Amino acid sequence: QLQLQESGPGLVKPSGTLSLTCGVSGGSISSLNWWSWVRQPPGKGLEWIGEIYHSGSTNYNPSLKSRVTISVDKSKNQFSLDLSSVTAADTAVYYCARGPTLGGGGPMGYFDLWGRGTLVTVSS
Amino acid sequence: DIQMTQSPSSLSASVGDRVTITCRASQDIRNYLAWYQQKPGKVPKLLIYAASTLQSGVPSRFSGSGSGTDFTLTISSLQPEDVATYYCQKYNSVPLTFGGGTKVEIK
Repeated sequence: QLQLQESGPGLVKPSGTLSLTCGVSGGSISSLNWWSWVRQPPGKGLEWIGEIYHSGSTNYNPSLKSRVTISVDKSKNQFSLDLSSVTAADTAVYYCARGPTLGGGGPMGYFDLWGRGTLVTVSS
Repeated sequence: DIQMTQSPSSLSASVGDRVTITCRASQDIRNYLAWYQQKPGKVPKLLIYAASTLQSGVPSRFSGSGSGTDFTLTISSLQPEDVATYYCQKYNSVPLTFGGGTKVEIK
């Protein structure tokens, strides 16, 4: 059974870069799925950050696009998130999630499997 | 960007009650709508996609309906384990966006 596991620092300094990795176990990252990052500030709702396909194709939330890079490492069966110039507003639980594909390989756009999430706090 | 508005933001109902949550899109999204359940301290769980298709393993007391701009999630008989916050999400185009959530409690 496929599982997702986020990893990375729990504390990042303001103006620094938040870097997280999502390990995929029990299956291949090269399967017919898109891989997303979603975040949730404490006590608030969900915000989609962006997604990647194993080919390297990406889609980003325009509100974060200038600061976000999502990449894939097929050899390690994982994908990663870099969010630059962070502020306290980026403090959140960060989830990685799987999204199924359309017949043509494009993303369906919803998420049928989620990692457990990791809290990242931006503070000096 | 298309905005997703849920109502109510919270509700309290008795066990066995029929519960309805509404999600409205600011533009036509056809049936590109999903619903998630997030129990306290837990990970979101997909309940419904394509507005009305029940995800495998989800109890049949959950149902979804609607198309275009107006959608509903219905719990036909509320159970104690349904205490959670429910989110709608549109996926017709980027950016993928969620509604603000509806918190469901037991009266």
